[in-house]
Amino acid sequence: DAGVTQSPTHLIKTRGQQVTLRCSPKSGHDTVSWYQQALGQGPQFIFQYYEEEERQRGNFPDRFSGHQFPNYSSELNVNALLLGDSALYLCASTPSGRAYGYTFGSGTRLTVV
Amino acid sequence: GENVEQHPSTLSVQEGDSAVIKCTYSDSASNYFPWYKQELGKRPQLIIDIRSNVGEKKDQRIAVTLNKTAKHFSLHITETQPEDSAVYFCAPRLSGYSTLTFGKGTMLLVSP
Repeated sequence: DAGVTQSPTHLIKTRGQQVTLRCSPKSGHDTVSWYQQALGQGPQFIFQYYEEEERQRGNFPDRFSGHQFPNYSSELNVNALLLGDSALYLCASTPSGRAYGYTFGSGTRLTVV
Repeated sequence: GENVEQHPSTLSVQEGDSAVIKCTYSDSASNYFPWYKQELGKRPQLIIDIRSNVGEKKDQRIAVTLNKTAKHFSLHITETQPEDSAVYFCAPRLSGYSTLTFGKGTMLLVSP
């Protein structure tokens, strides 16, 4: 049973560029949440997708946007990258919109230079 | 926003000792209280969770206790081992949210 997979694992971008990160949820899960984890901090909630809609959003600017596809996979897009966007981006999935039993992917390490 | 605080931020113990990490939250309607373990460079992994209708849950060497009146829950690790060394996060589900709100983490160091 495949867990949550994220790609790419590492990425280096220049300030002002745009980036797209990808996530495939665990088999049987249809809800995807994205988190940003800065070095030495706890994960911060970005947004959650369920039934291809953004269901909830954390305190992140509009530069952060996302999408969920019919196969439940998801993308996180960040425009106009800032140095402060450098972080580990984690994707987590759960079944049927539940908040229980989150399974996390290994994350994408984004470095903005 | 909702407030989630963890204490202590770092905890050093000798192998075999017990460790306790406390998490306080501000929303009295919160109903789900998990703890995650994150080893260096790895993903957070759920180690134990508790729901609001239960006061305590135990799984081998780890346990979680919940005090809803005081709005805090704690992680207890007994007979600590060096492989318990990691960062531990509480992540309560706050009311009105379908997601988890993480604390800032507690770095646990277990010395042999």
